[in-house]
Amino acid sequence: AQSVTQPDIHITVSEGASLELRCNYSYGATPYLFWYVQSPGQGLQLLLKYFSGDTLVQGIKGFEAEFKRSQSSFNLRKPSVHWSDAAEYFCAVGASGTYKYIFGTGTRLKVLA
Amino acid sequence: DAGVIQSPRHEVTEMGQEVTLRCKPISGHDYLFWYRQTMMRGLELLIYFNNNVPIDDSGMPEDRFSAKMPNASFSTLKIQPSEPRDSAVYFCASSLGRGYGNTIYFGEGSWLTVV
Repeated sequence: AQSVTQPDIHITVSEGASLELRCNYSYGATPYLFWYVQSPGQGLQLLLKYFSGDTLVQGIKGFEAEFKRSQSSFNLRKPSVHWSDAAEYFCAVGASGTYKYIFGTGTRLKVLA
Repeated sequence: DAGVIQSPRHEVTEMGQEVTLRCKPISGHDYLFWYRQTMMRGLELLIYFNNNVPIDDSGMPEDRFSAKMPNASFSTLKIQPSEPRDSAVYFCASSLGRGYGNTIYFGEGSWLTVV
């Protein structure tokens, strides 16, 4: 069965600084990988996803993520964080042939002005 | 286009009462999901439907929980009787499935408090 780990519960960065949120997954084959963002009191919104092909994926709001099979990772990055990026970020993994996506426990991002 | 619509947004109920959460998926989507989010357990998939048919309900915590999808535009999640440990945010989500891995669109959630 697949699983996903987000090792950082909270991250604080200054506005304008770069950001990297970590995600490690466990799955025997190439998984479907997703990053979602959740603003306070809101549902989850898809930032980007990876199925196959180019391992560097571009998403909305200036985010990107890189799939590294050797490290079983799918880290989310943004070169310059904006105050509006403060939210909770979820990595999710899905196995081929199922919609049972497994979500990580989330990383809460705080942005300092 | 309207997104996934959930109601009620907030509900406070007493232990033992029946709770019904409602969901209208995005028009044309053929997959519907119910998730529960808590601090302790994170985001958990409870059940999902394809073309109104339940596909996997292995995440439903116990018999007090039931979900139905009588038609393509409506689903309910019912808890009877409710208990304080059911307090959580319940999300409905939908997807247009043409192969797995498609984007799942979430509603804004129903915040349930059982006292």
